Amino acid sequence: TQLLEQSPQFLSIQEGENLTVYCNSSSVFSSLQWYRQEPGEGPVLLVTVVTGGEVKKLKRLTFQFGDARKDSSLHITAAQPGDTGLYLCAGGEASGSRLTFGEGTQLTVNP
Amino acid sequence: DAGVTQSPTHLIKTRGQHVTLRCSPISGHKSVSWYQQVLGQGPQFIFQYYEKEERGRGNFPDRFSARQFPNYSSELNVNALLLGDSALYLCASSLVPGVNYGYTFGSGTRLTVV
Repeated sequence: TQLLEQSPQFLSIQEGENLTVYCNSSSVFSSLQWYRQEPGEGPVLLVTVVTGGEVKKLKRLTFQFGDARKDSSLHITAAQPGDTGLYLCAGGEASGSRLTFGEGTQLTVNP
Repeated sequence: DAGVTQSPTHLIKTRGQHVTLRCSPISGHKSVSWYQQVLGQGPQFIFQYYEKEERGRGNFPDRFSARQFPNYSSELNVNALLLGDSALYLCASSLVPGVNYGYTFGSGTRLTVV
């Protein structure tokens, strides 16, 4: 069974601070996706990374896929209250039929 | 364009009852996946359907079943409900199977079993 561990589980910071969320596994994934979920809503896809060592930037968000395709990180620069939400990493299998999700990091950015 | 539509949005059922959840994918999307998200956890894969065929099944008991219709909409059925089935049930659609394409999730159906 493939598992993804996210850390930290909870993160509360002040507006303007930087943060990094980690997603680790002992298994290799064909792709790694990051989602953001708000209360009462489904997860919204932020990025998909497929190549080991790949780095993608989305405005103030930087995503990295580990060289061995077992881990990933999400870095947010100058966090804003609108960044508040549950951040989920999800690993994709080569067969393409399923995503394995981590348990999520609940981020709160205080004004 | 409409996103992924799920119905109902909320549902309360009694232990032992049966429930049917419905999902309409984005127009043009032929693959639908179902996930269960228990409070405080990440979503867990239940089923994936593509072109009306089951393409994958997660580690869920036989009480869980699903099907996809010719218009690519889908139903998730759960029989003999248990308290532990209380969760947010999410439907995700994609053009074709393949996680590299990314999934679009609906807002989910919140099922409470009492």
